[in-house]
Amino acid sequence: GAGVSQSPSNKVTEKGKDVELRCDPISGHTALYWYRQSLGQGLEFLIYFQGNSAPDKSGLPSDRFSAERTGGSVSTLTIQRTQQEDSAVYLCASSQVIEGQKTQYFGPGTRLLVL
Amino acid sequence: AQKVTQAQTEISVVEKEDVTLDCVYETRDTTYYLFWYKQPPSGELVFLIRRNSFDEQNEISGRYSWNFQKSTSSFNFTITASQVVDSAVYFCALSAYTGGFKTIFGAGTRLFVKA
Repeated sequence: GAGVSQSPSNKVTEKGKDVELRCDPISGHTALYWYRQSLGQGLEFLIYFQGNSAPDKSGLPSDRFSAERTGGSVSTLTIQRTQQEDSAVYLCASSQVIEGQKTQYFGPGTRLLVL
Repeated sequence: AQKVTQAQTEISVVEKEDVTLDCVYETRDTTYYLFWYKQPPSGELVFLIRRNSFDEQNEISGRYSWNFQKSTSSFNFTITASQVVDSAVYFCALSAYTGGFKTIFGAGTRLFVKA
């Protein structure tokens, strides 16, 4: 597709369950980002992948959160033992580095509700 | 440390009024990029503009204009003759050389344009 896609678009889960969120970046984009946006709040950076470099995990809020990017393309964000405070919209973005400029293009997000 | 401040949490205007959204940034880098994104009620973030730190020329795109002033570390966004469709949350963001150009977002300004 032309843009960043994310699945599922909505996810309802019970507290304590694990969830996996998927992101398909724009083809050819070497950088991929995950953000979290709680209701009415700004964007909270979670993790950043750039090419084959080690990911920047500095934004992950706890060790229940992890992410991987397979083959430099698709990424999966995993939240283990979900808590109610994990409820938010999880946004993925990708970008292509051109002379150091990185414009991020965002997917539609996954709305996660933990009951 | 790098930081983006959008002091205006919410702004409400009447259609056809001009409105300016403020953005103040902090960085010690000389090489950095500034962005504005729009998040309409549908939720998907839309890229509006990217400026690099070496180009202080103001930019106009239709009813949108941006005023970049390094002397005051500001990158303000003005919408001329606002329309109801401009109602959205607007995010200012900074991406700097230190930290591998990881993008830092401001908290956002929610703009309401009333008919």
